[in-house]
Amino acid sequence: EAGVAQSPRYKIIEKRQSVAFWCNPISGHATLYWYQQILGQGPKLLIQFQNNGVVDDSQLPKDRFSAERLKGVDSTLKIQPAKLEDSAVYLCASSWTGAKNIQYFGAGTRLSVL
Amino acid sequence: AQSVTQLGSHVSVSEGALVLLRCNYSSSVPPYLFWYVQYPNQGLQLLLKYTTGATLVKGINGFEAEFKKSETSFHLTKPSAHMSDAAEYFCAVRISSGSARQLTFGSGTQLTVLP
Repeated sequence: EAGVAQSPRYKIIEKRQSVAFWCNPISGHATLYWYQQILGQGPKLLIQFQNNGVVDDSQLPKDRFSAERLKGVDSTLKIQPAKLEDSAVYLCASSWTGAKNIQYFGAGTRLSVL
Repeated sequence: AQSVTQLGSHVSVSEGALVLLRCNYSSSVPPYLFWYVQYPNQGLQLLLKYTTGATLVKGINGFEAEFKKSETSFHLTKPSAHMSDAAEYFCAVRISSGSARQLTFGSGTQLTVLP
C-alpha cells in the first residue's frame, strides 16, 4: 500500500513570500492532518479534516495559513505571507476514522524562511 | 486538555544496553498512548500504541511500553540497544472520547547508541 505522499520535500523562500505544500493521503483514509514541527519540538497539529470538512483548526494561524481538501482526497496547505518563525517541517498524516486508529505520516516538507 | 512530558531530551546508551525513554502524560479522561520514532529526514513511524486491555504493549523492533495509570506514565523500553535504534522518539496522547481527539506530542527524546 502506498504511503502518505508530500511535495515538495524542501522549500526555501524569503519572508513575506507565499508557499504551498501538497499532500496525498493513503487511499481510503477519510481523516487528514497537517502538523508543524519546529526544530527541537514535537509535531503540533495545525488542522484536521474529515473528508472535505474541517474538524479542528483551532491552532491554525488563520491570518496567514490556509488549507483545503476540496474533493476529500488530497490537500494543500498555504502560507501567505511567510514569516521567519514559520521555518519548520510540515508533516501530513492520514488515518481511518476513529480515535484508536493509527495516523500514518508522510516524510514532510522542510521549509526555510530567510 | 491533555499533555505529554518526555524526561530527557537526549539519551545515550551503549550498544547492547537497556534503553529506557520516559514519558508522563496528563489527561482528564482515559487516554490512548502512542510512541513514534523519527529517523533523519523522514516522517514519524508508529512503534506501539495502548488503547485498552493489556497494559504491557509490545511494538516493532523489540520495543515495549507499559501503561501505568497510577503513575500516569508510559515509558518505552528495549532490553538491548542496536545501532539502528538511533533516532528521535516521540510519545503522544490522544483522549478516547469527546470531540477534541487530536494527538498531542511530547517534545521528543534523541537516542544515541554508542558502539
